[in-house]
Amino acid sequence: NAGVMQNPRHLVRRRGQEARLRCSPMKGHSHVYWYRQLPEEGLKFMVYLQKENIIDESGMPKERFSAEFPKEGPSILRIQQVVRGDSAAYFCASSRDRRNEKLFFGSGTQLSVL
Amino acid sequence: DQQVKQNSPSLSVQEGRISILNCDYTNSMFDYFLWYKKYPAEGPTFLISISSIKDKNEDGRFTVFLNKSAKHLSLHIVPSQPGDSAVYFCAAWIWERGSTLGRLYFGRGTQLTVWP
Repeated sequence: NAGVMQNPRHLVRRRGQEARLRCSPMKGHSHVYWYRQLPEEGLKFMVYLQKENIIDESGMPKERFSAEFPKEGPSILRIQQVVRGDSAAYFCASSRDRRNEKLFFGSGTQLSVL
Repeated sequence: DQQVKQNSPSLSVQEGRISILNCDYTNSMFDYFLWYKKYPAEGPTFLISISSIKDKNEDGRFTVFLNKSAKHLSLHIVPSQPGDSAVYFCAAWIWERGSTLGRLYFGRGTQLTVWP
C-alpha cells in the first residue's frame, strides 16, 4: 500500500495520559501535514513538517502538543496530559514538494479521551 | 474565523439528477481551490481542483465553477450516483507573499446523499 499510513486507527486514553499518533507519508513524499477534525467541524490545520524540520506550527496549541518528523521513521504527533476536548479525528497528509497543492490524506486516528 | 464556508450541511438528490454543492470564501488571497470527498472512517480523497486564473474545470461527471468576484465556488456532479454519497469538503490554499509557505483551509463539509 503506497498511500499515507496512520496508526493506530483508534486510540483510547484516560485524562492525563499521553497520546502518540504516527504517520508514514506516501513513498517519495517528504512533506507532512497534521489536521484535526472535531465533531461537526471541518479539518483544522495543526502543523506542517519536512524531514527533521518544523516548517509551520501556527495551528498547534502551544501547550501539551508537539510534532516531529525524524530523518528515519514516521512523523509523530504527541499529545501530553490529554483532556476530553482533545477527542477528535486526527488526519495526516503528505505531499512531494513544498508547493504542491494536492495533499494526500491518511485514514486518520480517532482519539477518544475518557 | 471560518474563511471557507459550506453553508449547507446536507444535500439529498435523486440518482441521475445533478448535485450542486456550494462553497463561499472570505479571503481574496486564496488562489487554488480543491474539493475532497470523504467516506466514513476514511481520510479525505482528492476529487477535483481549480486555479484562481480559471473559472471552470471539468473531469468526467465532476465540474467545478469559480466565481472570483462573488468569492464562490461550486461542484456539480452529473449524473449523480448512489456511490457519490459522502461528505464533500471545499478547501482553499493561501500562500504567503513571495514564499512557498502556504496554508490549506477547509470548509465544514456537506453530506451528500444520492438515493435511487
